[in-house]
Amino acid sequence: DTAVSQTPKYLVTQMGNDKSIKCEQNLGHDTMYWYKQDSKKFLKIMFSYNNKELIINETVPNRFSPKSPDKAHLNLHINSLELGDSAVYFCASSQGGDLYNSPLHFGNGTRLTVT
Amino acid sequence: GQNIDQPTEMTATEGAIVQINCTYQTSGFNGLFWYQQHAGEAPTFLSYNVLDGLEEKGRFSSFLSRSKGYSYLLLKELQMKDSASYLCAVTDSNYQLIWGAGTKLIIKP
Repeated sequence: DTAVSQTPKYLVTQMGNDKSIKCEQNLGHDTMYWYKQDSKKFLKIMFSYNNKELIINETVPNRFSPKSPDKAHLNLHINSLELGDSAVYFCASSQGGDLYNSPLHFGNGTRLTVT
Repeated sequence: GQNIDQPTEMTATEGAIVQINCTYQTSGFNGLFWYQQHAGEAPTFLSYNVLDGLEEKGRFSSFLSRSKGYSYLLLKELQMKDSASYLCAVTDSNYQLIWGAGTKLIIKP
């Protein structure tokens, strides 16, 4: 199946722990993103990579570090997890180049709960 | 600042028509998207408008007026499966995507 897939779907962990979320797309897209959706349902861009290069890095704590080994993968590592990190994290991809008119294809999300 | 306004929640009846409005104030404009998000699922792309006017796609249509900073999504012949949140998003002059909080649409039989 062609898709954006992210794992795990659910992640429950304690404060202070380090965790990673993996994302892969087989759509041949050049650009990948990480979004955070909080309890109020706002989608906030965190990072964007185009062909493995960082192009968007919003005001996100240094505890969050994206890694793109190739253009089909964009993983998110989070250090020293805090209660406020609890949210749903979505990976997405889009066709490269014309970023402004390329629809995003989202993964199914990772629901992170920090206790 | 940049802002996108949508109603928080709307209720409509199965088989009817509903219009979900979106107004935006952004630094420039390079297009407007509508996405559908069912509870617990990922957003999925519905429509894209960059020029003024109406874009029709089956039961769903999207309208844009750039001079008014206004768009709406029109859903016809509503079905129960249309119960979802509808997200409006605008690309600004820096090609950053600005998202609204979404409108939760409840369909009643």
